[in-house]
Amino acid sequence: EAGVVQSPRYKIIEKKQPVAFWCNPISGHNTLYWYRQNLGQGPELLIRYENEEAVDDSQLPKDRFSAERLKGVDSTLKIQPAELGDSAVYLCASSPKQGGKLFFGSGTQLSVL
Amino acid sequence: GQQLNQSPQSMFIQEGEDVSMNCTSSSIFNTWLWYKQEPGEGPVLLIALYKAGELTSNGRLTAQFGITRKDSFLNISASIPSDVGIYFCAGQIGGATNKLIFGTGTLLAVQP
Repeated sequence: EAGVVQSPRYKIIEKKQPVAFWCNPISGHNTLYWYRQNLGQGPELLIRYENEEAVDDSQLPKDRFSAERLKGVDSTLKIQPAELGDSAVYLCASSPKQGGKLFFGSGTQLSVL
Repeated sequence: GQQLNQSPQSMFIQEGEDVSMNCTSSSIFNTWLWYKQEPGEGPVLLIALYKAGELTSNGRLTAQFGITRKDSFLNISASIPSDVGIYFCAGQIGGATNKLIFGTGTLLAVQP
């Protein structure tokens, strides 16, 4: 069974540029999460989807971050414009149901110069 | 954002030694999960705990769900070099919230 797939693996951009990350969850998993992991810290939730509905986006900086999960499968996370402090690893995870175990992708390492 | 307290922050041990790490919270959780993360990869689930007092093993790994539901412990017996990585605990409130909160991580280095 294929795991959570993320792309790109690495992204280097200049500040004020836009950037987008893509995630394909495990087939059949209704719940999708985007986490941000700063260097030396644990992952922190940005947004959680149940199917195509964003049910928890309280930690998403909405002035520059946006996310979508059209058709309740793949998801994209966008930052526009990027700031230096956005440099981090962006992790996507999925679980088969609410309260289920989370399975993570390999992440996208973002460097903003 | 909120993060759980994990200790120790790092451990440097010899191959064959046993390892213990723990995670504490001011909040009660319904589920505790333990993950391992290697460089350049996402966290990989090791053990899931669902009941207070539960003790669960996965090979050389054993984890316990604290009676107070505010802490959890992970033990690794007879460590080997491939155990190297960062170990994260994560607490889940469950229900409609279903939020997973991660600990600060324990870096484990194993010398052959």
